[in-house]
Amino acid sequence: QSVLTQPPSVSSAPGQKVTISCSGSSSNIGSNFVAWYQQVPGTAPKLLIYDNNKRPSGVPDRISGSKSGTSATLVITGLQTGDEADYYCGAWDRTLSVVVFGGGTKLTVL
Amino acid sequence: DVRLVESGGGLVQPGGSRRLSCVGSGLTFSDHYMGWVRQAPGKGLEWLGRIRNKANGYITDYAASLKGRFVISRDDSKSSLYLQMNSLETEDTAVYFCAGVFKSQYLDHWGQGTLVTVSS
Repeated sequence: QSVLTQPPSVSSAPGQKVTISCSGSSSNIGSNFVAWYQQVPGTAPKLLIYDNNKRPSGVPDRISGSKSGTSATLVITGLQTGDEADYYCGAWDRTLSVVVFGGGTKLTVL
Repeated sequence: DVRLVESGGGLVQPGGSRRLSCVGSGLTFSDHYMGWVRQAPGKGLEWLGRIRNKANGYITDYAASLKGRFVISRDDSKSSLYLQMNSLETEDTAVYFCAGVFKSQYLDHWGQGTLVTVSS
């Protein structure tokens, strides 16, 4: 049972847009910044978004993040087949004093 | 390019110990906080803990779920990070990733992972 809640799966067509939600509480998302990671099965995760909406160098601007209250959202536009992966949200939890993650969302590009 | 390479995984009997290593290159290792994350087969990511850099006293913190069984250390002279795992349980079976920790909580560089299987 993950501390942050994500939908198990989402899907959309190439070229379309998808949103992935992440719900937490006042001790994590509500009081700290959020990150998003992409993991292609069999490989290591990759940091996509940090500080709610900032992209590391090399991450395209069709990937964006936002936060409101105790929830965060990842948006990917112009979907490509290469975007098929598992996506995880993460945030520092001030009560547990660890980074907590969502259970992951599998993105299928149909 | 930044590269982190883990080693030390393998088959361990329940109750046993294992030490994982992670060697970094392409980054100023000594400046970085470093951390360990694991992923059980077919499951999500689990933060295990992190170690701060020398300037911040090499302070470590851990997930409470580990119950003091795991210890993170580093040797900056070797650009190396370690995870000493004791009293291993079958539930510790996972791929273990080392990662650079950016802004205290973000994992910006990852190793390829090393599989630890705890089984009799």
